[in-house]
Amino acid sequence: QKEVEQDPGPLSVPEGAIVSLNCTYSNSAFQYFMWYRQYSRKGPELLMYTYSSGNKEDGRFTAQVDKSSKYISLFIRDSQPSDSATYLCAMTPGGSEKLVFGKGTKLTVNP
Amino acid sequence: GAVVSQHPSRVICKSGTSVKIECRSLDFQATTMFWYRQFPKQSLMLMATSNEGSKATYEQGVEKDKFLINHASLTLSTLTVTSAHPEDSSFYICSAPWATNYGYTFGSGTRLTVV
Repeated sequence: QKEVEQDPGPLSVPEGAIVSLNCTYSNSAFQYFMWYRQYSRKGPELLMYTYSSGNKEDGRFTAQVDKSSKYISLFIRDSQPSDSATYLCAMTPGGSEKLVFGKGTKLTVNP
Repeated sequence: GAVVSQHPSRVICKSGTSVKIECRSLDFQATTMFWYRQFPKQSLMLMATSNEGSKATYEQGVEKDKFLINHASLTLSTLTVTSAHPEDSSFYICSAPWATNYGYTFGSGTRLTVV
């Protein structure tokens, strides 16, 4: 079993849809969770980071963590064509240890 | 803030030659640099971790003699792909933690094509 599992998609939605992206993990040492967005042939950019179980909202984005189930989610409301990218979940035990990434989910938002 | 500048963004080289990729932290001191490799439609695979002033730590299966990492200063880490082969063609990305626990900033990546 891989440490981090993420459905690679691809996921295609119409503009304005709510998008749900998910990752599961097996290592209970992971305490810090991040979502990165990566456009084609570019480096990943940090979207959200969370530590506690529960929800964290930032504009159209909501990150959700359930440590008891080892499950994290990213919700995108009112999706836009500019949100079309690959979304990677990442996690770490903390202390600037290496990040472990999911496979990434390729999202296309159609106008 | 917390910018990592990676160069070159794209390089084409002949088989058997060496290529150097540089990552510079512009506004913070990067004591640690992570080097990743990404194949098309795949996730980032950690190759090695470099710490300023010490030898890099390589992940299992990564040839340390082929992928030479130097981290001689707090603002510069380099990855040299030696005796490059076509199978080394990939997207290479560096990343440095700038804030404890969640602050990882990434370079813009280098697309290496070996012909």
